[in-house]
Amino acid sequence: DSGVTQTPKHLITATGQRVTLRCSPRSGDLSVYWYQQSLDQGLQFLIQYYNGEERAKGNILERFSAQQFPDLHSELNLSSLELGDSALYFCASSPDVAETQYFGPGTRLLVL
Amino acid sequence: AQSVTQLDSQVPVFEEAPVELRCNYSSSVSVYLFWYVQYPNQGLQLLLKYLSGSTLVKGINGFEAEFNKSQTSFHLRKPSVHISDTAEYFCAVSEEEGGSEKLVFGKGTKLTVNP
Repeated sequence: DSGVTQTPKHLITATGQRVTLRCSPRSGDLSVYWYQQSLDQGLQFLIQYYNGEERAKGNILERFSAQQFPDLHSELNLSSLELGDSALYFCASSPDVAETQYFGPGTRLLVL
Repeated sequence: AQSVTQLDSQVPVFEEAPVELRCNYSSSVSVYLFWYVQYPNQGLQLLLKYLSGSTLVKGINGFEAEFNKSQTSFHLRKPSVHISDTAEYFCAVSEEEGGSEKLVFGKGTKLTVNP
C-alpha cells in the first residue's frame, strides 16, 4: 500500500458525459501527479500540482482539467468524454517536486 | 524530450531461471531512473531507483538494476524468478521541465513466469 488513495476504483459512463476522479496523496506529500494508462499510448503524464498550484502540464487534453485543494487532495475532471478516453488514470504523490513518486491504485474509466 | 525504450514487450521464463528486462533511455545528461512493477489489476509499485552513486541498485523482491551511462541503459535483473513475479514492469526516467519533474515511461515488459 503506497498510501495514495484514489476514488472511485471503477467508473462506467457514456460519451459526452463529465466525470471527476479523486486522489488523496500520502500524508505530508505536497506534489500530486496525474497519469493516463491506455493500451495504445501507454503511461503518459498529464499534469502536476504542487501545494495547490499547477506546476507542469503534459499531454493533457483541453477537455480535461485538474485542481489541488488546500487539504492537498486533487481532482481530475474529464468532460465531453469520448470512447478513446477509456483508460486507467493514476495519481501519484511525492514530498517535493523532484522526489520519488508513489502511485495510487488507479481509477479505471470505461466510456461507452 | 526524454524517451525510454523497453526492448522486449513480453518475456516468458521458467520458475527459478534468471531474467533480464532491458531498458534504454535517450538522454546523455544526468537523469534519475526508476523501475516500477504493475501486478494484474493493481497500481504501480516502485521496485528500485537510481539517483546517483553506485551504479548497481538493489530493490525489493530480489531485483537489481545496473546503470550504464555510456550505453544509456538501466537493465533490470533477478537471478531466480518466482511465479509471483509475473507482472508488467515499467522503466521510467525523470525529466526536468520548468522546475518540475515528470516521469517518462517505457511501453512496459510483461514478464510471465511459468512453472
